[in-house]
Amino acid sequence: AQTVTQSQPEMSVQEAETVTLSCTYDTSESDYYLFWYKQPPSRQMILVIRQEAYKQQNATENRFSVNFQKAAKSFSLKISDSQLGDAAMYFCAYSRTSGTYKYIFGTGTRLKVLA
Amino acid sequence: GAVVSQHPSWVICKSGTSVKIECRSLDFQATTMFWYRQFPKQSLMLMATSNEGSKATYEQGVEKDKFLINHASLTLSTLTVTSAHPEDSSFYICSARDGVGAQETQYFGPGTRLLVL
Repeated sequence: AQTVTQSQPEMSVQEAETVTLSCTYDTSESDYYLFWYKQPPSRQMILVIRQEAYKQQNATENRFSVNFQKAAKSFSLKISDSQLGDAAMYFCAYSRTSGTYKYIFGTGTRLKVLA
Repeated sequence: GAVVSQHPSWVICKSGTSVKIECRSLDFQATTMFWYRQFPKQSLMLMATSNEGSKATYEQGVEKDKFLINHASLTLSTLTVTSAHPEDSSFYICSARDGVGAQETQYFGPGTRLLVL
């Protein structure tokens, strides 16, 4: 069975600085999708970034980028130039590329941004 | 981007009553929708996968007779909490699957807060 682990319950970053959130997963599949979702206090889940496992190139979305290490089964999220609006819960998620496409979520990392 | 709505956003009900929560994909058709439950400061727990025109698939430990799911159209799935009890109080979130292949992504509704008195 697939599992997703986020070992950092809480992280803090100074405004304008860079922070990296960790995520590891376990799977026997060779192809899959990985996601980072943000859940602000409103509790609306927002897609931050996605990565297809068959792509070696790390995904980037403006200030957000990932470090995808397939062999190590690691998928970390880097937030550059952190802003106060980045404060939220961040969830890492895994999905197979076939079948039900259901997500397996990690336990989340609460990110605090200090002014 | 794809938008998913949920209604109501919050509901308070008496113990023993039933509550229906609607999940709609507003600008796309979703053959598959998902229902999650989230406890305070915890992650999302998948309850069931809702497929248009067929029976929902429930996760282990989720009572299908307690949480009735109907996916009657490509844009609407409903979750009915039957004979609600205080332990059913929680935050319920739906998502709808959009895209094909490498573009497949789940888009989430804003959630429904249920309080059972």
